[in-house]
Amino acid sequence: DIQVTQSPSSVSASIGDRVAITCRASQGFSNYLAWYQQKPGKVPRLLIYDASTVQSGVPSRFSGSQSGTDFTLTISSLQREDAAIYYCQKYDSAPLTFGGGTKVEIK
Amino acid sequence: EVQLVASGGGLVQPGRSLRLSCAASGFTFDDYPMHWVRQSPGKGLEWVSGISWNSRSVGYADFAEGRFTISRDNAKNSLYLQMDSLRADDTALYYCAKGGPWGSGSYYRDAIDHWGQGILVTVSS
Repeated sequence: DIQVTQSPSSVSASIGDRVAITCRASQGFSNYLAWYQQKPGKVPRLLIYDASTVQSGVPSRFSGSQSGTDFTLTISSLQREDAAIYYCQKYDSAPLTFGGGTKVEIK
Repeated sequence: EVQLVASGGGLVQPGRSLRLSCAASGFTFDDYPMHWVRQSPGKGLEWVSGISWNSRSVGYADFAEGRFTISRDNAKNSLYLQMDSLRADDTALYYCAKGGPWGSGSYYRDAIDHWGQGILVTVSS
């Protein structure tokens, strides 16, 4: 099975900062990777699919990119409402593995 | 508006079975793949199983293979998860989730675009 390693496990940043979260796959699988945001007590929300396509309604400060087996979610200018846990998920084939999550906190 | 309402959860003893159901509305159910995803208390998301729009293709996480069975009834707009031989580490909030519209209708090669509120399953003696 392809493993997906997400880093960092947590990040603390100030309002307006640029934040980057990475998922590294143990082997290549095209661009079938999504990013989700989960706030406390809420269900996950799709942000990015196919590695770099922003889901409708998601603020433009969120973007996704891919370089080989490395996938990055970038928040260009962190806002207070972005405090949450972010997960990547690969969905090329079973198992559709999630990364371990990254907790984003506001300083 | 997409609505996914799960039911059938609760407290069950180790080794016993439970069947989760998910009632879908607000979209054309038989056009989309569906999934079950779980989250143990205080832990991350864990994909459990997925099923294509026509039930011809299904997939499972390693921990679910041989114990869990996913199915759907398109006439009833419903998704199911039969869970057998339950263990304490199956205790989690189980989410019913809908696959996106961008793929071919299989459970893979499409991200999850809507999630239900989840149903709690507790496995304990």
